[in-house]
Amino acid sequence: GAGVSQSPSNKVTEKGKDVELRCDPISGHTALYWYRQSLGQGLEFLIYFQGNSAPDKSGLPSDRFSAERTGGSVSTLTIQRTQQEDSAVYLCASSQGSTGELFFGEGSRLTVL
Amino acid sequence: AQSVTQPDIHITVSEGASLELRCNYSYGATPYLFWYVQSPGQGLQLLLKYFSGDTLVQGIKGFEAEFKRSQSSFNLRKPSVHWSDAAEYFCAVGPLGGGGNKLTFGTGTQLKVEL
Repeated sequence: GAGVSQSPSNKVTEKGKDVELRCDPISGHTALYWYRQSLGQGLEFLIYFQGNSAPDKSGLPSDRFSAERTGGSVSTLTIQRTQQEDSAVYLCASSQGSTGELFFGEGSRLTVL
Repeated sequence: AQSVTQPDIHITVSEGASLELRCNYSYGATPYLFWYVQSPGQGLQLLLKYFSGDTLVQGIKGFEAEFKRSQSSFNLRKPSVHWSDAAEYFCAVGPLGGGGNKLTFGTGTQLKVEL
């Protein structure tokens, strides 16, 4: 597609349930990032994929969070046993080369009741 | 560790007035610097970036930013603000070259434009 696509755009879930958030990056982009945007706290880096290299998971807040990227393209961020503090907008971005320019999707808003 | 500080959480300006949004960074080497804008309900859009060379960079929508190494700053400016500029603005710093383009973002400045 023309841009980074994320789904669902909104997700409401109950505490303790698992959720999956999907990201489809710009075609040809080798790097994919997940960020979390909480109210008043800016963007928090979660995880980064580059080609076939091992992902940089240094930003994942707990072992309830995981992500995978299949075939070097689509990525899924999974949050297990959701907690209320997981409520946020989860942003995906992709990039190509070393230009540093990240292209962002519109985000998936997660609300945990 | 790298960090970005945007000291102004909210700024209100009148349409047609000039604008300056502050950004200070902490980084151990020459950084890549970015400004992104986020309109309500949308993803982040790149306004401009600095890698090297001329310290005054021009971006989209009439924005510019100046890199001042001595002050560790990368302030965003616009001579005349339009109502459509109301949005949240994020400054970011990133690593140079390979090894990933993981960016560290500031907490953002919410811009309100009064008509």
